[in-house]
Amino acid sequence: GENVEQHPSTLSVQEGDSAVIKCTYSDSASNYFPWYKQELGKGPQLIIDIRSNVGEKKDQRIAVTLNKTAKHFSLHITETQPEDSAVYFCAASMIDRGSTLGRLYFGRGTQLTVWP
Amino acid sequence: NAGVTQTPKFRVLKTGQSMTLLCAQDMNHEYMYWYRQDPGMGLRLIHYSVGEGTTAKGEVPDGYNVSRLKKQNFLLGLESAAPSQTSVYFCASSRASTGRNEKLFFGSGTQLSVL
Repeated sequence: GENVEQHPSTLSVQEGDSAVIKCTYSDSASNYFPWYKQELGKGPQLIIDIRSNVGEKKDQRIAVTLNKTAKHFSLHITETQPEDSAVYFCAASMIDRGSTLGRLYFGRGTQLTVWP
Repeated sequence: NAGVTQTPKFRVLKTGQSMTLLCAQDMNHEYMYWYRQDPGMGLRLIHYSVGEGTTAKGEVPDGYNVSRLKKQNFLLGLESAAPSQTSVYFCASSRASTGRNEKLFFGSGTQLSVL
């Protein structure tokens, strides 16, 4: 199966600064890369995703970049705010070999803390 | 708009006891999943279902069983709980396979402690 590595495991930034979280994946067949945000006591929620035929995608203060050759993708948050504090998970999705089914493989998560 | 609902939210078990976690979704999704979340381990897939009456194993299925008798419900069972099953359990659903770029909708989780 796929192996997704995520760094750093914890990240502290001052309000207004930028935050970057990086992930690598192992299987070149992976074709979909979502990012989920998990606030305390809640389930993860999709915040942005990118497909393998796109290099970058932006949504207001959040952007994701994908480098297929190097097999890594990153989440960029600009002008961070205290409400951005949460655990962020990257994931890679691929179709299981010999099957029509796909599966998401998650990174281990990054605890982002934004200090006022 | 309930989305994905999990019950119970918290549970404490003694080693060897059994229990069932219930997940219900009101979005008419075909796919449903059970994940466990452990500190520093991310989300790991236990079992999943691609439709009513079907189930399949994920990454960490040992010690768990599941059933999908109705499209909207997905049950996770622990027949003989072990301390290693102490974790936060999340149910999720999607309209189609996540391999087809489908978004996952998660419940709010169940904190299970096995003493």
